[in-house]
Amino acid sequence: DQQVKQNSPSLSVQEGRISILNCDYTNSMFDYFLWYKKYPAEGPTFLISISSIKDKNEDGRFTVFLNKSAKHLSLHIVPSQPGDSAVYFCAASDNSNYQLIWGAGTKLIIKP
Amino acid sequence: DTEVTQTPKHLVMGMTNKKSLKCEQHMGHRAMYWYKQKAKKPPELMFVYSYEKLSINESVPSRFSPECPNSSLLNLHLHALQPEDSALYLCASSQVHPSYNEQFFGPGTRLTVL
Repeated sequence: DQQVKQNSPSLSVQEGRISILNCDYTNSMFDYFLWYKKYPAEGPTFLISISSIKDKNEDGRFTVFLNKSAKHLSLHIVPSQPGDSAVYFCAASDNSNYQLIWGAGTKLIIKP
Repeated sequence: DTEVTQTPKHLVMGMTNKKSLKCEQHMGHRAMYWYKQKAKKPPELMFVYSYEKLSINESVPSRFSPECPNSSLLNLHLHALQPEDSALYLCASSQVHPSYNEQFFGPGTRLTVL
């Protein structure tokens, strides 16, 4: 059973507009959430994270929103740039071990 | 230094070969990880070392043998692999604090088993 779900395999967004990537989770014990970006044949790059005690965290063009009651988080990228085209993974952890539970990923395509 | 390095970048090996993958970090992280990633899939955890001791082995076949010689280095020894083991092997490191588990990944080793 998938504990972290990214239901959109792909998303296409016009350059300069907002990209919104979504992630849902089922385990209420998760207390830390992360977003990674991955280019083909490279390792994932950490983007931004959020603790369950917060509902928003912002870093430059990237903002992550957490809705604990809905068990939902989203990554907003504004404005979207061509270099943002990549696969984005949502991941979650609890405080019991070192494992990250990963979503399946969403491929973001930024159109010129 | 916020980089995790991995060597080699590419590796092709036969099923009878013995080879090793190497990973190094100088961020002072005391947790290090090996992941396997197949195309269009998320990374799949293989091993976790914490303070140079193996703390998690995700039921990985014994043809994969990890080693952590010191706090900066992590090796993965490969022997008698199968073609289905072909994948991108990723090393990562993090602080030893499960609740703030920002793992930093290396570029990976693309392994092909013939």
